[in-house]
Amino acid sequence: GAGVSQSPSNKVTEKGKDVELRCDPISGHTALYWYRQSLGQGLEFLIYFQGNSAPDKSGLPSDRFSAERTGGSVSTLTIQRTQQEDSAVYLCASSPYNQPQHFGDGTRLSIL
Amino acid sequence: ILNVEQSPQSLHVQEGDSTNFTCSFPSSNFYALHWYRWETAKSPEALFVMTLNGDEKKKGRISATLNTKEGYSYLYIKGSQPEDSATYLCASQEGNKLVFGAGTILRVKS
Repeated sequence: GAGVSQSPSNKVTEKGKDVELRCDPISGHTALYWYRQSLGQGLEFLIYFQGNSAPDKSGLPSDRFSAERTGGSVSTLTIQRTQQEDSAVYLCASSPYNQPQHFGDGTRLSIL
Repeated sequence: ILNVEQSPQSLHVQEGDSTNFTCSFPSSNFYALHWYRWETAKSPEALFVMTLNGDEKKKGRISATLNTKEGYSYLYIKGSQPEDSATYLCASQEGNKLVFGAGTILRVKS
């Protein structure tokens, strides 16, 4: 079956621009996660959605970052006024509740 | 805030060698320990989820052990093959989220 799909796979943009990253989770997975990996760092938790509950936003690094999940399915991570330190691989994962996470291939974001 | 450490940072071995990596994590409020394998240009692949002290899990040539009292897990690869080359990530589960270590990069030379 289809896995977690992320788009775009690569994004290059200028400092100060806004970017939107998309995640299509596996159908039926109620949990959706966003992570990022900066160069030389481990995967860093950003935000978690579970069903209709309020999202856990505790990992978002600044108020320039936001995410939404529409209809319990597709999620969009938005970064406003991008900075060079936002350059990273952004990974999305989904899972049934309290089960192992399935990851997408990620979006490689480069801020010039 | 949990602090998950992995060692070594990278490892180069010859085909056929057996190898192991370490993941250490705070033992207080432990819930579960996850191991992932992440090949270049692919998505991380779940290997094991371990919850009980003394747990041992095996998948082909790869196995893992867990010590929740002292806060460490070992991942073993027996008879390494070039296709085992990847970054191996461990993560401690804190509530609904995973706190990842920086990973161990394994390169297996043929």
